[in-house]
Amino acid sequence: KNEVEQSPQNLTAQEGEFITINCSYSVGISALHWLQQHPGGGIVSLFMLSSGKKKHGRLIATINIQEKHSSLHITASHPRDSAVYICAVSPETSGSRLTFGEGTQLTVNP
Amino acid sequence: GAGVSQSPRYKVAKRGQDVALRCDPISGHVSLFWYQQALGQGPEFLTYFQNEAQLDKSGLPSDRFFAERPEGSVSTLKIQRTQQEDSAVYLCASSLYGSGYGYTFGSGTRLTVV
Repeated sequence: KNEVEQSPQNLTAQEGEFITINCSYSVGISALHWLQQHPGGGIVSLFMLSSGKKKHGRLIATINIQEKHSSLHITASHPRDSAVYICAVSPETSGSRLTFGEGTQLTVNP
Repeated sequence: GAGVSQSPRYKVAKRGQDVALRCDPISGHVSLFWYQQALGQGPEFLTYFQNEAQLDKSGLPSDRFFAERPEGSVSTLKIQRTQQEDSAVYLCASSLYGSGYGYTFGSGTRLTVV
């Protein structure tokens, strides 16, 4: 079992829909990151959080430390949101390196 | 610079050839990481530098992989005698200092070994 599990693996939505991507992890962490990766492109950091909730534009990230669970929400989705969304954690025992989930491929159709 | 720069963007190597991948982090960033991302997978940790010191190389898959950051800025990941299973995207990330400050990733180098 991976230390970081994401669901779903693939998600197709219609433009305007509310989207949720989930991340569960099994280790103690100092922080959790949500990242975005476009095809052929590098990785963009969306959020880093260790508690509560953060919002940036149409993106919202929440984390429940007790339940070891985080969600990424996208409101009013748009085709340009199509990308791979990756959850990554900084394990308490692994120093500064990140442990990544396998990513969620999101496709938003017009 | 404004972001993390990696070169080359794409590299095709014949099996057995040596390759060198370069990462130019954000100026002043102390921490530098290399990750390997196989097709359809999440990135996997390779190695971590704090300035010029390589503090963790536990993720390097074999002794054919070598990384250095001699002056605490630019880093090079070298793969000797490349094999087909080395084909992947190699990502570099830098951070001001450790995990508490967030990471900036480069666009990666896609290595294809034929």
